[in-house]
Amino acid sequence: DTAVSQTPKYLVTQMGNDKSIKCEQNLGHDTMYWYKQDSKKFLKIMFSYNNKELIINETVPNRFSPKSPDKAHLNLHINSLELGDSAVYFCASSQTGGDGYTFGSGTRLTVV
Amino acid sequence: GENVEQHPSTLSVQEGDSAVIKCTYSDSASNYFPWYKQELGKRPQLIIDIRSNVGEKKDQRIAVTLNKTAKHFSLHITETQPEDSAVYFCAASESQKLVFGTGTRLLVSP
Repeated sequence: DTAVSQTPKYLVTQMGNDKSIKCEQNLGHDTMYWYKQDSKKFLKIMFSYNNKELIINETVPNRFSPKSPDKAHLNLHINSLELGDSAVYFCASSQTGGDGYTFGSGTRLTVV
Repeated sequence: GENVEQHPSTLSVQEGDSAVIKCTYSDSASNYFPWYKQELGKRPQLIIDIRSNVGEKKDQRIAVTLNKTAKHFSLHITETQPEDSAVYFCAASESQKLVFGTGTRLLVSP
């Protein structure tokens, strides 16, 4: 029974396309996050939602738009994909305050 | 905002040796310090954590120490095994999120 699940696991697409990644958690956590992990393995936070409300937006280009329909789901839509968007995107969830931070399995995005 | 530095970036040890990874943080308000292990192609997974009211915590072969005054914390792995090979991340809490260090690639040779 997966705690934080992401789809798809792999995504290969051409420059200029629009794509979405979905995330769902069944841990009952209040807060969900999107992290980007680049080729050097740096884990950088992009967004955070607490009970469907955006609380962190870390200077991410506005081509990236998160949406949280309810506190168990957080999706990421990316418009006009660029080569530099290629990375692994991790969804995570936690209790308010950061306890129990749990990552999804990641989505490897390759823009060609 | 919080800044977390992690050293070394790579660490090679022989099986059975100990490994130590060190992190420093900048925000004295941080009070939660987890460590994550990420195997190749997998998600980061929590292996141990420590809170600011505790100086040391141990779980079998792994231990974490925290020095709040100096704002640094360390991960200690004893009797390393090849399956300990992975990238390890430290993190510090800040305003409802975790800020991660840059990672340490640990290689344990048989």
